[in-house]
Amino acid sequence: GENVEQHPSTLSVQEGDSAVIKCTYSDSASNYFPWYKQELGKRPQLIIDIRSNVGEKKDQRIAVTLNKTAKHFSLHITETQPEDSAVYFCAASKGGSYIPTFGRGTSLIVHP
Amino acid sequence: KAGVTQTPRYLIKTRGQQVTLSCSPISGHRSVSWYQQTPGQGLQFLFEYFSETQRNKGNFPGRFSGRQFSNSRSEMNVSTLELGDSALYLCASSSPPNYEQYFGPGTRLTVT
Repeated sequence: GENVEQHPSTLSVQEGDSAVIKCTYSDSASNYFPWYKQELGKRPQLIIDIRSNVGEKKDQRIAVTLNKTAKHFSLHITETQPEDSAVYFCAASKGGSYIPTFGRGTSLIVHP
Repeated sequence: KAGVTQTPRYLIKTRGQQVTLSCSPISGHRSVSWYQQTPGQGLQFLFEYFSETQRNKGNFPGRFSGRQFSNSRSEMNVSTLELGDSALYLCASSSPPNYEQYFGPGTRLTVT
């Protein structure tokens, strides 16, 4: 089955810095890659996703890049703010009715 | 649309007991998935139900079971509880064609 590795497990940055979280996947058939943000005590929420026919996608301060050849994808957050502090999960799926496989999460801490 | 709801939100049980958790999906969503979340283990997939049938299953023992009703509401049952079952149990609903997971707030289960 699919295996998703996520790094780093913890990331500490100063407000205004950029943050990058990286994930690798094992199943070359995976074609859908969502990212979830889970604030303390709250539910995971989808913040951005990318499909295999796209190399990069941006939404304001967040962007995701995908390298299908190397089987890795990354989340980039620019101009970080304290409210970006949360656990971020990457996931990979073959799309359709396939359930996404999640990484173990990255705890992002943004210091004011 | 109302979001995914889960009941109860908190539960304390004794080892050896059984427990039933409930999940109501977003209106119109026919797929409901269950996840176990523990510190350091990320989101572990339990099973997915679609139109009252279990469509996908994770690697959990048979003590974990579920079902889905005709209105798409789902229940998860854990029998013979063990201390290691203490976790946050999240359900997520989704619909074709993209099957993005929309999570509920979770049920925090503590086994003593």
